[in-house]
Amino acid sequence: EAGVTQFPSHSVIEKGQTVTLRCDPISGHDNLYWYRRVMGKEIKFLLHFVKESKQDESGMPNNRFLAERTGGTYSTLKVQPAELEDSGVYFCASSQTGKNIQYFGAGTRLSVL
Amino acid sequence: GNSVTQMEGPVTLSEEAFLTINCTYTATGYPSLFWYVQYPGEGLQLLLKATKADDKGSNKGFEATYRKETTSFHLEKGSVQVSDSAVYFCALRHNTGNQFYFGTGTSLTVIP
Repeated sequence: EAGVTQFPSHSVIEKGQTVTLRCDPISGHDNLYWYRRVMGKEIKFLLHFVKESKQDESGMPNNRFLAERTGGTYSTLKVQPAELEDSGVYFCASSQTGKNIQYFGAGTRLSVL
Repeated sequence: GNSVTQMEGPVTLSEEAFLTINCTYTATGYPSLFWYVQYPGEGLQLLLKATKADDKGSNKGFEATYRKETTSFHLEKGSVQVSDSAVYFCALRHNTGNQFYFGTGTSLTVIP
């Protein structure tokens, strides 16, 4: 069974540009989460989807970030326009409803120059 | 609120040394506690977990005991190997929500 996959693995963009990150959860997992780790700091929650609906987006830093999960399968996280402080590693995780464990992808390392 | 504080790294140990990575938490009620590990180039993997006080999670020679009286979940291994070199994250999940709260991660390097 495939795990959570994310791409690209690394993205380097200039300030002001747009970047879209993609996450494919484990098949059958209704819950999908986005997290971010800024250099050397803790991994912080961004938002949680249940199927295609946003269950909790309390961790989204500002309106430059837009997450979607059309059809309740894969999800995208768009940053527009990107700022220097958006640099970090973005993790996606998925879980089955009612289960305590979240399965994480390898992350996308975003570098904004 | 909910938060996790874990030992600052990096930590460098010789093979077969004893490992302790400290983790304490702040939460209301009874959260579940986890240790995740990230090997170089890979995603976060669940290492072990404990869901209630005094539970001990264990896997691959690692252990951690949920101590409610000290709000701690320290990770230990009696004899580390070079293959244990990775970043270790302590995390909690509150029983009223779905999001995880992570510590800052502790980088471990084991040298032969």
